[in-house]
Amino acid sequence: EVQLVESGGGVARPGGSLRLSCAAPGFSMDDYGMSWVRQAPGKGLEWVSSISWNGGSTVYADAVKGRFTISRDNAKKLLYLQMNSLRAEDTAFYYCARGFYRFDPWGQGTLVTVSS
Amino acid sequence: DIVLTQTPLSLSVTPGQPASISCKSSQSLLYSDGKTYLYWYLQKTGQSPQLLIHEVSNRFSGVPDRFTGSGSGTQFTLKISRVEAEDVGVYYCMQSIQLRYSFGQGTKLEIK
Repeated sequence: EVQLVESGGGVARPGGSLRLSCAAPGFSMDDYGMSWVRQAPGKGLEWVSSISWNGGSTVYADAVKGRFTISRDNAKKLLYLQMNSLRAEDTAFYYCARGFYRFDPWGQGTLVTVSS
Repeated sequence: DIVLTQTPLSLSVTPGQPASISCKSSQSLLYSDGKTYLYWYLQKTGQSPQLLIHEVSNRFSGVPDRFTGSGSGTQFTLKISRVEAEDVGVYYCMQSIQLRYSFGQGTKLEIK
C-alpha cells in the first residue's frame, strides 16, 4: 500500500521557520511529481506547492511564494517544505500528496501552528 | 486566478436517494492537450482527502460506480446515484490547468 507520512509540524513564532518532511517509503518517488496542500482548522483545502519528478519544476501559491521552498531527495524518498517568515495565517494542517496535477494518495497531515 | 464555485455548500440526503454537486469555473479548464483538468475529492470526517474523479469523468481506482462526474469547459457536476452512509463528508472540486491550482469551497454531504 502506498503511504505518505508527514513530520515536522509544531508551533512556531510569527517570522519563524519550520521544515516539513514527507516520507514516501512505499513507491518509487522519482516516478512522480509531489505536492503540498494545506487546510486551516475547520476550513477548506488550499494548494500550496508542487514539484516535478526531478525537482526541475516548482510552482507555488501566491500566498507562500518567496517564503516557502519545496524540494525533494528521491534517493531518500523524502519531500520537503521549508517554511520561512511564517505568519498566523499559515496555521493549518499540511498534507503531502503524490502527483503534480492530481493528488493521490495523501498523507495524514501535520499541524503547523503559528502563534506568539 | 481561476475561481471554482461549488453549489450547494451543504446537502442532506436520504440513503438510497441521489445527490448532485455543481462546480463552476471562472475560466475554461480545457487545455490545448485535449484534457480538462478538473478533479473531485472527498474528505471524510477526520481523514485526509481522497481522489474520486480525475479529468472530469474518470472514476479513480476503487471508486464505486454510483459516483459519476460530467461536464465540460466551465461547468461540472458530481452525481451520486444512490447515497450511502459511507458517502458522508466534504466534496471538493479542484482545477490544475493553471499553475495556481485552486479548490472549490467544499460541499458537505450529510445523511438524513
